Amino acid sequence: ETGVTQTPRHLVMGMTNKKSLKCEQHLGHNAMYWYKQSAKKPLELMFVYSLEERVENNSVPSRFSPECPNSSHLFLHLHTLQPEDSALYLCASSPSDRAENQPQHFGDGTRLSIL
Amino acid sequence: KNQVEQSPQSLIILEGKNCTLQCNYTVSPFSNLRWYKQDTGRGPVSLTIMTFSENTKSNGRYTATLDADTKQSSLHITASQLSDSASYICVVGGSGDYKLSFGAGTTVTVRA
Repeated sequence: ETGVTQTPRHLVMGMTNKKSLKCEQHLGHNAMYWYKQSAKKPLELMFVYSLEERVENNSVPSRFSPECPNSSHLFLHLHTLQPEDSALYLCASSPSDRAENQPQHFGDGTRLSIL
Repeated sequence: KNQVEQSPQSLIILEGKNCTLQCNYTVSPFSNLRWYKQDTGRGPVSLTIMTFSENTKSNGRYTATLDADTKQSSLHITASQLSDSASYICVVGGSGDYKLSFGAGTTVTVRA
């Protein structure tokens, strides 16, 4: 149990569907992150929220839309995705976005498949 | 461009044996280096974090080393167990913010 819970664990959707990924952290952290992990490739940072304010949008296409209603919850809204968006989407949290020497705590991810 | 290169890409070892994974980086400025373990179907879990001034850190049977001068790190697994089968990811942090540079990982398979 890492303290970061992601749902659903698996998601299959068509390119025209709209779905949302959910992340919840129980660690009292102030920063939350979305990462994309594709096979055999390094993790790619997508979005960063600090105290519910977005501080990073790493050139992510607009078909991915994040939402952070409070410091414990983070969503990733998906629409009109492409086959190359199939990947493992990981959520992470840390005490702050300036916690240089503190680990980020990851959830177990949502495995997304686009048909 | 900040890069983190890991080698080998994958390796197979027999249970009870030792192994060493390598990580070379070009991240600058440098703040810290982390090793994560990622089991199949799970998220990464932190094993060690080392700052510029540290050259070794252990977590049970895992020992990480850091040479900040040559920008190299290694992760040594002692007396491997079947549960050590996983991907091991080297992550380097620059100074001042949350941005991390990730390696592609080394996949370790431990066989009985």
